[in-house]
Amino acid sequence: RKEVEQDPGPFNVPEGATVAFNCTYSNSASQSFFWYRQDCRKEPKLLMSVYSSGNEDGRFTAQLNRASQYISLLIRDSKLSDSATYLCVVNSAGNKLTFGGGTRVLVKP
Amino acid sequence: DTAVSQTPKYLVTQMGNDKSIKCEQNLGHDTMYWYKQDSKKFLKIMFSYNNKELIINETVPNRFSPKSPDKAHLNLHINSLELGDSAVYFCASSRRRDGELFFGEGSRLTVL
Repeated sequence: RKEVEQDPGPFNVPEGATVAFNCTYSNSASQSFFWYRQDCRKEPKLLMSVYSSGNEDGRFTAQLNRASQYISLLIRDSKLSDSATYLCVVNSAGNKLTFGGGTRVLVKP
Repeated sequence: DTAVSQTPKYLVTQMGNDKSIKCEQNLGHDTMYWYKQDSKKFLKIMFSYNNKELIINETVPNRFSPKSPDKAHLNLHINSLELGDSAVYFCASSRRRDGELFFGEGSRLTVL
Protein backbone atom coordinates (compact mmCIF):
# COMPACT_ATOMS: atom_id res chain seq x y z
CA ARG A 1 0.00 0.00 0.00
CA LYS A 2 1.33 3.44 -0.88
CA GLU A 3 1.99 5.82 2.01
CA VAL A 4 -0.36 8.44 0.58
CA GLU A 5 -2.94 7.66 -2.10
CA GLN A 6 -5.23 9.86 -4.13
CA ASP A 7 -7.70 9.34 -6.96
CA PRO A 8 -5.86 10.93 -9.91
CA GLY A 9 -9.11 12.08 -11.55
CA PRO A 10 -9.74 14.17 -13.49
CA PHE A 11 -12.84 15.38 -11.74
CA ASN A 12 -14.82 17.33 -14.31
CA VAL A 13 -16.89 19.87 -12.40
CA PRO A 14 -19.47 22.31 -13.76
CA GLU A 15 -18.83 25.87 -12.66
CA GLY A 16 -20.71 26.57 -9.45
CA ALA A 17 -20.95 22.92 -8.42
CA THR A 18 -19.43 21.22 -5.39
CA VAL A 19 -16.65 18.67 -5.66
CA ALA A 20 -15.07 16.54 -2.96
CA PHE A 21 -12.29 14.02 -2.95
CA ASN A 22 -10.27 12.05 -0.44
CA CYS A 23 -6.74 11.06 0.31
CA THR A 24 -5.84 7.92 2.27
CA TYR A 25 -2.66 7.47 4.30
CA SER A 26 -1.06 4.35 5.69
CA ASN A 27 0.83 5.58 8.77
CA SER A 28 -1.60 5.74 11.69
CA ALA A 29 0.97 7.78 13.67
CA SER A 30 0.86 10.67 11.17
CA GLN A 31 0.23 14.01 12.86
CA SER A 32 0.43 16.66 10.16
CA PHE A 33 -1.80 16.89 7.12
CA PHE A 34 -1.98 19.45 4.36
CA TRP A 35 -3.60 20.15 1.03
CA TYR A 36 -1.43 21.81 -1.60
CA ARG A 37 -2.47 23.12 -4.97
CA GLN A 38 -0.32 22.81 -8.09
CA ASP A 39 -1.09 24.60 -11.33
CA CYS A 40 0.27 23.28 -14.60
CA ARG A 41 4.05 23.78 -14.84
CA LYS A 42 4.13 25.66 -11.53
CA GLU A 43 5.34 24.88 -8.05
CA PRO A 44 3.00 23.47 -5.38
CA LYS A 45 1.56 26.01 -2.95
CA LEU A 46 -0.10 25.43 0.39
CA LEU A 47 -3.89 25.57 0.18
CA MET A 48 -4.67 24.69 3.77
CA SER A 49 -3.59 22.68 6.78
CA VAL A 50 -5.92 19.96 8.06
CA TYR A 51 -6.58 19.91 11.77
CA SER A 52 -8.29 17.22 13.84
CA SER A 53 -11.30 19.49 14.13
CA GLY A 54 -11.35 20.15 10.39
CA ASN A 55 -10.59 23.42 8.67
CA GLU A 56 -12.61 25.80 6.54
CA ASP A 57 -11.28 28.62 4.41
CA GLY A 58 -13.89 30.32 2.28
CA ARG A 59 -15.19 27.81 -0.24
CA PHE A 60 -12.72 25.14 0.83
CA THR A 61 -13.32 22.67 3.65
CA ALA A 62 -10.85 20.02 4.79
CA GLN A 63 -11.64 17.16 7.15
CA LEU A 64 -9.55 14.51 8.88
CA ASN A 65 -10.88 11.03 9.64
CA ARG A 66 -8.30 9.30 11.83
CA ALA A 67 -10.30 6.10 12.28
CA SER A 68 -10.39 5.45 8.55
CA GLN A 69 -7.09 7.21 7.88
CA TYR A 70 -8.12 9.68 5.25
CA ILE A 71 -8.41 13.40 4.73
CA SER A 72 -10.86 15.09 2.44
CA LEU A 73 -11.15 18.34 0.54
CA LEU A 74 -14.45 19.87 -0.48
CA ILE A 75 -14.73 22.81 -2.85
CA ARG A 76 -18.05 24.67 -2.95
CA ASP A 77 -19.26 26.97 -5.71
CA SER A 78 -16.40 25.92 -7.99
CA LYS A 79 -14.70 28.64 -10.03
CA LEU A 80 -12.84 28.20 -13.30
CA SER A 81 -9.72 29.26 -11.42
CA ASP A 82 -10.06 26.23 -9.12
CA SER A 83 -8.86 24.02 -11.99
CA ALA A 84 -5.60 22.55 -10.75
CA THR A 85 -4.05 19.46 -9.25
CA TYR A 86 -4.67 19.09 -5.52
CA LEU A 87 -1.90 17.35 -3.61
CA CYS A 88 -2.40 15.67 -0.28
CA VAL A 89 0.61 15.82 2.05
CA VAL A 90 1.08 13.72 5.17
CA ASN A 91 3.97 13.46 7.57
CA SER A 92 5.15 9.89 7.71
CA ALA A 93 7.92 7.94 9.40
CA GLY A 94 10.95 10.04 10.26
CA ASN A 95 8.95 13.27 10.22
CA LYS A 96 9.05 13.22 6.44
CA LEU A 97 6.36 14.98 4.45
CA THR A 98 5.06 12.61 1.77
CA PHE A 99 3.01 13.76 -1.19
CA GLY A 100 0.15 11.91 -2.79
CA GLY A 101 0.04 11.63 -6.55
CA GLY A 102 -2.49 14.45 -6.81
CA THR A 103 -6.13 14.76 -7.85
CA ARG A 104 -6.76 16.74 -10.99
CA VAL A 105 -9.83 18.99 -10.99
CA LEU A 106 -11.18 20.61 -14.15
CA VAL A 107 -13.89 23.20 -13.69
CA LYS A 108 -15.84 23.84 -16.86
CA PRO A 109 -18.23 26.66 -17.78
CA ASP B 1 11.99 39.39 -3.39
CA THR B 2 11.56 35.71 -4.25
CA ALA B 3 11.36 33.60 -1.08
CA VAL B 4 12.88 30.41 -2.53
CA SER B 5 14.85 30.82 -5.71
CA GLN B 6 16.55 28.13 -7.73
CA THR B 7 18.73 28.29 -10.80
CA PRO B 8 18.73 27.41 -13.56
CA LYS B 9 15.03 27.16 -14.43
CA TYR B 10 15.76 25.08 -17.50
CA LEU B 11 18.64 22.75 -18.18
CA VAL B 12 19.15 20.67 -21.32
CA THR B 13 22.21 18.46 -21.38
CA GLN B 14 23.67 15.28 -22.78
CA MET B 15 23.85 11.90 -21.06
CA GLY B 16 27.00 11.47 -19.04
CA ASN B 17 27.44 15.14 -18.21
CA ASP B 18 27.61 16.59 -14.70
CA LYS B 19 25.32 19.45 -13.71
CA SER B 20 24.38 21.47 -10.64
CA ILE B 21 21.22 23.22 -9.50
CA LYS B 22 21.42 25.94 -6.88
CA CYS B 23 18.80 26.96 -4.33
CA GLU B 24 18.59 29.87 -1.92
CA GLN B 25 15.89 30.87 0.56
CA ASN B 26 15.56 34.23 2.29
CA LEU B 27 12.84 33.16 4.72
CA GLY B 28 15.16 32.36 7.60
CA HIS B 29 13.99 28.75 7.61
CA ASP B 30 16.06 26.01 9.18
CA THR B 31 15.05 23.14 6.89
CA MET B 32 15.55 22.80 3.16
CA TYR B 33 14.62 20.04 0.74
CA TRP B 34 15.07 18.70 -2.74
CA TYR B 35 12.05 17.07 -4.38
CA LYS B 36 11.86 15.38 -7.78
CA GLN B 37 8.71 15.46 -9.89
CA ASP B 38 8.78 12.99 -12.75
CA SER B 39 6.70 12.83 -15.92
CA LYS B 40 3.88 11.13 -14.00
CA LYS B 41 3.78 14.17 -11.71
CA PHE B 42 4.70 12.28 -8.53
CA LEU B 43 6.60 14.52 -6.12
CA LYS B 44 9.20 12.51 -4.24
CA ILE B 45 11.53 13.76 -1.56
CA MET B 46 15.19 13.24 -2.25
CA PHE B 47 17.05 15.04 0.53
CA SER B 48 16.40 17.25 3.51
CA TYR B 49 18.82 19.39 5.49
CA ASN B 50 18.23 20.99 8.86
CA ASN B 51 20.72 23.69 9.80
CA LYS B 52 23.20 22.32 7.27
CA GLU B 53 22.85 18.77 8.60
CA LEU B 54 21.53 16.01 6.34
CA ILE B 55 18.43 14.54 7.98
CA ILE B 56 16.65 12.78 5.12
CA ASN B 57 18.42 10.86 2.42
CA GLU B 58 15.98 8.80 0.40
CA THR B 59 16.93 5.95 -1.88
CA VAL B 60 18.65 8.12 -4.43
CA PRO B 61 21.60 7.05 -6.63
CA ASN B 62 24.87 8.31 -5.22
CA ARG B 63 25.32 10.26 -8.47
CA PHE B 64 23.17 12.83 -6.68
CA SER B 65 25.02 14.80 -4.05
CA PRO B 66 23.47 17.64 -2.07
CA LYS B 67 25.55 20.34 -0.43
CA SER B 68 24.46 22.93 2.10
CA PRO B 69 27.13 25.60 2.63
CA ASP B 70 24.83 27.42 5.07
CA LYS B 71 21.23 27.10 6.15
CA ALA B 72 20.02 29.47 3.44
CA HIS B 73 21.51 27.47 0.58
CA LEU B 74 21.07 23.92 -0.65
CA ASN B 75 22.63 22.86 -3.92
CA LEU B 76 22.23 19.64 -5.87
CA HIS B 77 25.00 18.19 -7.98
CA ILE B 78 24.32 15.34 -10.38
CA ASN B 79 27.10 13.28 -11.91
CA SER B 80 26.94 11.13 -15.04
CA LEU B 81 23.44 12.19 -16.01
CA GLU B 82 21.07 9.52 -17.31
CA LEU B 83 17.90 9.75 -19.40
CA GLY B 84 15.83 8.81 -16.33
CA ASP B 85 17.08 11.88 -14.50
CA SER B 86 14.89 14.05 -16.71
CA ALA B 87 12.36 15.65 -14.36
CA VAL B 88 11.50 18.87 -12.58
CA TYR B 89 13.56 19.34 -9.43
CA PHE B 90 11.97 21.50 -6.75
CA CYS B 91 13.79 23.06 -3.86
CA ALA B 92 11.72 23.87 -0.78
CA SER B 93 12.17 25.20 2.71
CA SER B 94 10.17 25.11 5.93
CA ARG B 95 10.40 26.66 9.37
CA ARG B 96 10.23 23.28 11.01
CA ARG B 97 10.47 19.71 9.73
CA ASP B 98 6.75 19.04 9.36
CA GLY B 99 5.65 22.58 8.66
CA GLU B 100 4.44 24.36 5.57
CA LEU B 101 6.71 23.91 2.59
CA PHE B 102 7.65 26.89 0.44
CA PHE B 103 8.75 25.79 -3.01
CA GLY B 104 10.99 27.35 -5.59
CA GLU B 105 9.72 27.56 -9.15
CA GLY B 106 11.45 24.33 -10.14
CA SER B 107 14.33 23.44 -12.41
CA ARG B 108 13.31 21.47 -15.49
CA LEU B 109 16.11 19.09 -16.41
CA THR B 110 16.10 17.36 -19.78
CA VAL B 111 18.75 14.75 -20.48
CA LEU B 112 19.21 13.86 -24.15
